[in-house]
Amino acid sequence: ELKVEQNPLFLSMQEGKNYTIYCNYSTTSDRLYWYRQDPGKSLESLFVLLSNGAVKQEGRLMASLDTKARLSTLHITAAVHDLSATYFCAVEGSGTYKYIFGTGTRLKVLA
Amino acid sequence: GAVVSQHPSRVICKSGTSVKIECRSLDFQATTMFWYRQFPKQSLMLMATSNEGSKATYEQGVEKDKFLINHASLTLSTLTVTSAHPEDSSFYICSASPQGDQPQHFGDGTRLSIL
Repeated sequence: ELKVEQNPLFLSMQEGKNYTIYCNYSTTSDRLYWYRQDPGKSLESLFVLLSNGAVKQEGRLMASLDTKARLSTLHITAAVHDLSATYFCAVEGSGTYKYIFGTGTRLKVLA
Repeated sequence: GAVVSQHPSRVICKSGTSVKIECRSLDFQATTMFWYRQFPKQSLMLMATSNEGSKATYEQGVEKDKFLINHASLTLSTLTVTSAHPEDSSFYICSASPQGDQPQHFGDGTRLSIL
């Protein structure tokens, strides 16, 4: 059974600081997704990672995937208040197209 | 880009009533759609896979008689919460993809509140 864990669950950080969110999963998969969720809203797609070694960057966020380690990271550079949200990773079960979501990381960036 | 629409966005109703939520793919056809449930401050949990023209596949622990799924066309799946109770109050989100191996697109979600 595919299980996906994120850490930390909660993250409070100062503006301008860097930090990394980790996403670990339990079984083989080559497809991993990162999403942002604001309170009361649905998911906003951030990154699609479809192969080992994939790295994608958008603004202050960068995501990477290591399928051998079954690990993805979401790195935040020079955080700003607007990045405050909950971030989820989701792993696609091999051959199933089903997404299993991580536990989520609630990020609060303090001014 | 691919758009998935959910309706209604919010519903409040009395305990014991049944509630239907629609999920539509607006600009593509989807043979498969997925339904998720999210309780406050928790992650999304996959409830079931909706298959066009056949029975839905439910995840372990999800009552199929409680959560009826119908996928009668290539652009519409419906989730009916039957005899809803306060513990069914949650945020329900659907997703769909133009092709199975393409990323899923998520609807805006339906917030269900049972009084």
